Amino acid sequence: DTAVSQTPKYLVTQMGNDKSIKCEQNLGHDTMYWYKQDSKKFLKIMFSYNNKELIINETVPNRFSPKSPDKAHLNLHINSLELGDSAVYFCASSHLKGPSYEQYFGPGTRLTVT
Amino acid sequence: RKEVEQDPGPFNVPEGATVAFNCTYSNSASQSFFWYRQDCRKEPKLLMSVYSSGNEDGRFTAQLNRASQYISLLIRDSKLSDSATYLCVVLRGGGADGLTFGKGTHLIIQP
Repeated sequence: DTAVSQTPKYLVTQMGNDKSIKCEQNLGHDTMYWYKQDSKKFLKIMFSYNNKELIINETVPNRFSPKSPDKAHLNLHINSLELGDSAVYFCASSHLKGPSYEQYFGPGTRLTVT
Repeated sequence: RKEVEQDPGPFNVPEGATVAFNCTYSNSASQSFFWYRQDCRKEPKLLMSVYSSGNEDGRFTAQLNRASQYISLLIRDSKLSDSATYLCVVLRGGGADGLTFGKGTHLIIQP
């Protein structure tokens, strides 16, 4: 009964490949997010979606394309992977409307590009 | 100025001691505030939301000072299991805004 789940947990791939990470939440939230945590452990927002609609798209290369088939799922597709894409990617979810804007995180996907 | 600033530590503290962390944020329009905890190679986990009136959850007390743009976390009677990185987190708006994280304060509780 995991609240926010991600697959795969680990992903090792070569430069130039295309890969996808999947995220699902069963909390009944209507908003989902992707965050990146780099080698210096700094967590930064990449995207947010509300009811399948893109709300935030921070300065992220367009090789990264999120897709939300429904409000419980938000996948991240990455084209032409580069060494600098190596990081941990966390999915999160929350309610759009308050009073609580608490976000809950998935276990992360550790991506290594060689 | 960074959006959310924290002392990275590490803070080495004996078991049973009281430890306090502080954090400042730059955007005065920020709406919501949180402390998250992150263990090594794990996801951030919500520790507590922070309210203007201050709030307490067991051994943990959080305070918010909007005038000074300052958030604090106090841990009393620290346990070995409190060893982790504590992330000060700010939500600029509401709704679908992403969280803005500080770089975290590393706490080590020593037996």
